Amino acid sequence: QITLKESGPTLVKPTQTLTLTCTFSGFSLNTSGVGVGWIRQPPGKALEWLALIYWDDDKSYSPSLKRRLTITKDSSKNQVVLTMTNMDPVDTATYYCAHRGITVFRGVITPHNWFDPWGQGTLVTVSS
Amino acid sequence: QSALTQPRSVSGSPGQSVTISCTGTSSDIGSYNYVSWYQQHPGKAPKVMIFDVNKRPSGVPDRFSGSKSGNTASLTISGLQAEDEADYYCCSYAGNYTYVFGTGTKVTVL
Repeated sequence: QITLKESGPTLVKPTQTLTLTCTFSGFSLNTSGVGVGWIRQPPGKALEWLALIYWDDDKSYSPSLKRRLTITKDSSKNQVVLTMTNMDPVDTATYYCAHRGITVFRGVITPHNWFDPWGQGTLVTVSS
Repeated sequence: QSALTQPRSVSGSPGQSVTISCTGTSSDIGSYNYVSWYQQHPGKAPKVMIFDVNKRPSGVPDRFSGSKSGNTASLTISGLQAEDEADYYCCSYAGNYTYVFGTGTKVTVL
């Protein structure tokens, strides 16, 4: 069974840097094709994809937030860390991490292009 | 990379069918068969209902179906049930290892 859980501060001040940790179990980020992504959702608003890190340490970021985001992994600890710099009140949101899996068929690995499952999310409020 | 466009809300009576559209561009939906749909109940994390345009994960009722034409994907819920009342989001691969979500649709069961 795959589970993920987000942790980090619930309140940050404007201009500060946010650091969130996703701790997961039930899969390994050393497995070819596997990834962990971050998605956020401001209160009452839509989901927004932020970043994704892959088993080979390759990374991708939302073009609009790329300059502010850094995603890293510690496969030995089963953790993925997202940092976002220069936080602003508009960054107030529930931040989710999610698993991006693979399908293996006759030795061929096909990475998924969907996120399943998701963590429970953590609400981060940006306020002075 | 702009958010995919969804109707703000759709509604239907129990047993009816509703369809949610998700309009993107030739750079996302139009270029890839990697559209997924997520159901989100209030206060809960999203749950995948459809992946790769029209495939259902195990455990998802077959009343949920997906399709795509050009730059627009659709989610249809047939035989609407009370527990289907939720927010629904589409998501598409957008190239260069990036993804984009839709604006979200609230489904109300009348």
